[in-house]
Amino acid sequence: DAKTTQPPSMDCAEGRAANLPCNHSTISGNEYVYWYRQIHSQGPQYIIHGLKNNETNEMASLIITEDRKSSTLILPHATLRDTAVYYCIVRLNHLYGGATNKLIFGTGTLLAVQP
Amino acid sequence: GAVVSQHPSRVICKSGTSVKIECRSLDFQATTMFWYRQFPKQSLMLMATSNEGSKATYEQGVEKDKFLINHASLTLSTLTVTSAHPEDSSFYICSARDKSSALPGTDTQYFGPGTRLTVL
Repeated sequence: DAKTTQPPSMDCAEGRAANLPCNHSTISGNEYVYWYRQIHSQGPQYIIHGLKNNETNEMASLIITEDRKSSTLILPHATLRDTAVYYCIVRLNHLYGGATNKLIFGTGTLLAVQP
Repeated sequence: GAVVSQHPSRVICKSGTSVKIECRSLDFQATTMFWYRQFPKQSLMLMATSNEGSKATYEQGVEKDKFLINHASLTLSTLTVTSAHPEDSSFYICSARDKSSALPGTDTQYFGPGTRLTVL
């Protein structure tokens, strides 16, 4: 699976949009971009994933560049509860899953939402 | 969304004893579950992939005889840390793959809340 690069930390003011970047310059055509977050001492929480089109759900939006070499996770109105480590993961989605669908976590971005 | 539970949430044991951690998918069937370990201020490290009805696949460097994994049903996987030592103290997290609600090839993994193991 392709490696990803994320800034180690970011700050965001409460109520403002948080834009978290991720570089995945070696991504291949059939690899998806996944975002998870981990609040301190909890298990990771799934946020969103996409292949090449922009995606939006109730938690966030995912913007993937046309060349797919980078993406941005957007939390439209950050709250204090959004303070967490955010992981961008690139993964090959095999039809029948199994070990080939494992998620490999990097170091992520620690997002600190400030009051 | 899909819910994954773990039991116990925290456990303290003496060195040399064995500890079993359960991972359950509560509202979906999981043919594949994954076990991770996380040391303080570090990222999650994948230990093994657990497939229902077959042997687990371990990542390089993970001792299969020390970390026994059993995936006896579509909703339950267990991790047993055998002869635990203080260096095994860590945060153990499982995840389960929900393939039922997504288009083929776009399955999502959902994570349990984790188990904090402390070996004295």
